[in-house]
Amino acid sequence: DIQMTQSPSTLSASVGDRVTITCRASQTISNWLAWYQQKPGKAPKLLIYKASSLESGVPSRFSGSGSGTEFTLTISSLQPDDSATYYCQQYYSYSTFGQGTKLEIK
Amino acid sequence: EVQLVQSGAEVKKPGESLKISCKGSGFTFSSYWLGWVRQMPGNGLEWMGIIYPGDSDTKYSPSFQGQATISADKSISTAYLQWGSLKASDTGMYYCARAMIVGGIEAFDIWGQGTLVTVSS
Repeated sequence: DIQMTQSPSTLSASVGDRVTITCRASQTISNWLAWYQQKPGKAPKLLIYKASSLESGVPSRFSGSGSGTEFTLTISSLQPDDSATYYCQQYYSYSTFGQGTKLEIK
Repeated sequence: EVQLVQSGAEVKKPGESLKISCKGSGFTFSSYWLGWVRQMPGNGLEWMGIIYPGDSDTKYSPSFQGQATISADKSISTAYLQWGSLKASDTGMYYCARAMIVGGIEAFDIWGQGTLVTVSS
């Protein structure tokens, strides 16, 4: 199994802040990485695929980068609606999710 | 509209069997891999496995191999997740999701609304 480790586990930031979440893979996964946003009681929503490709309809303040084993999700200017839990997912070998990062707005 | 619609919430006793469903519409169901994801109460997402309805090729996470069975009936655009003998630890929300590229095991772009399974004596 490829293990995915996200950091931090929780994050508190203010509206307008630049926020970065990191995801590390236990072995190289090239750029086969996705990021999801999940709000309470809702299904996850795809934000980023292939490490840096923005899913259609997702605001441009979300961006992804990285390759190999280290990846980041960046929100350039945090908005109140961005309060959620964020997950990374590798799909290089079958698939696994990171444990999640809960983002709270101060 | 492309969508996945899952069956309703279930309450079962330990040892009982269960089969939940996920019906696709608005796309060629047999051409996309369909996955199942578990979310236990208060926990994160866990990838259980995935099926290609076109030929029923199925892949399981090692963590879930033998714990539940994934199947599909392409004639009615429906995927299934079933248990032969439920345990309390099977309690959770189960999501089905579509891989975003025809024929590829990819990121999930379309998700069902989830099916809550509660196993309690």
